[in-house]
Amino acid sequence: DGGITQSPKYLFRKEGQNVTLSCEQNLNHDAMYWYRQDPGQGLRLIYYSQIVNDFQKGDIAEGYSVSREKKESFPLTVTSAQKNPTAFYLCASSIVTGGAYEQYFGPGTRLTVT
Amino acid sequence: AQSVTQLGSHVSVSEGALVLLRCNYSSSVPPYLFWYVQYPNQGLQLLLKYTSAATLVKGINGFEAEFKKSETSFHLTKPSAHMRDAAEYFCAVSEEPASGGSYIPTFGRGTSLIVHP
Repeated sequence: DGGITQSPKYLFRKEGQNVTLSCEQNLNHDAMYWYRQDPGQGLRLIYYSQIVNDFQKGDIAEGYSVSREKKESFPLTVTSAQKNPTAFYLCASSIVTGGAYEQYFGPGTRLTVT
Repeated sequence: AQSVTQLGSHVSVSEGALVLLRCNYSSSVPPYLFWYVQYPNQGLQLLLKYTSAATLVKGINGFEAEFKKSETSFHLTKPSAHMRDAAEYFCAVSEEPASGGSYIPTFGRGTSLIVHP
């Protein structure tokens, strides 16, 4: 079955450590996205990528980094510079960005930093 | 620029009652509109989408939404609520990408549907 996988489901880290969240898709989609979700704030876009080896900052990119070396993979690194990293992180993909193309979401990773 | 407003962060209904979740959008061109559902600790799943065909769109799980251009609305309805409908619902708007550009969908803040027995 085609879909998006995110691992791990739950992640715990100490403050000051970088952590990388995995996102893999086998839908052959060109576009991939990372969102952060906090209670009552909806989805906020961190980064998105339209093609391999290219990505753009979203609304809240500070303290995060990404790479897109393969079409299937779009890992997100939460760096120690992110002041409030505890959140639920969602990865998504779509055929292309915008327009009539809906997004397909992974199950999410809940990151807790103490 | 596109934007989405979902009226009411929480909506509470009794099982069997009508569900109405409100979504108003702002878009400079004819929009594409989406409703997604999110169950606790899961990702979002597409319920339905409007792509300029029929203005009344039917989705999964008995939900439907009507596109009203004059009211810039895309409200989500279901005739009879079930306990399993309790979830977070998100409305999103997207525009056709301009040549060389990219338009990322904009999401509303979400509405939590609570269903009482």
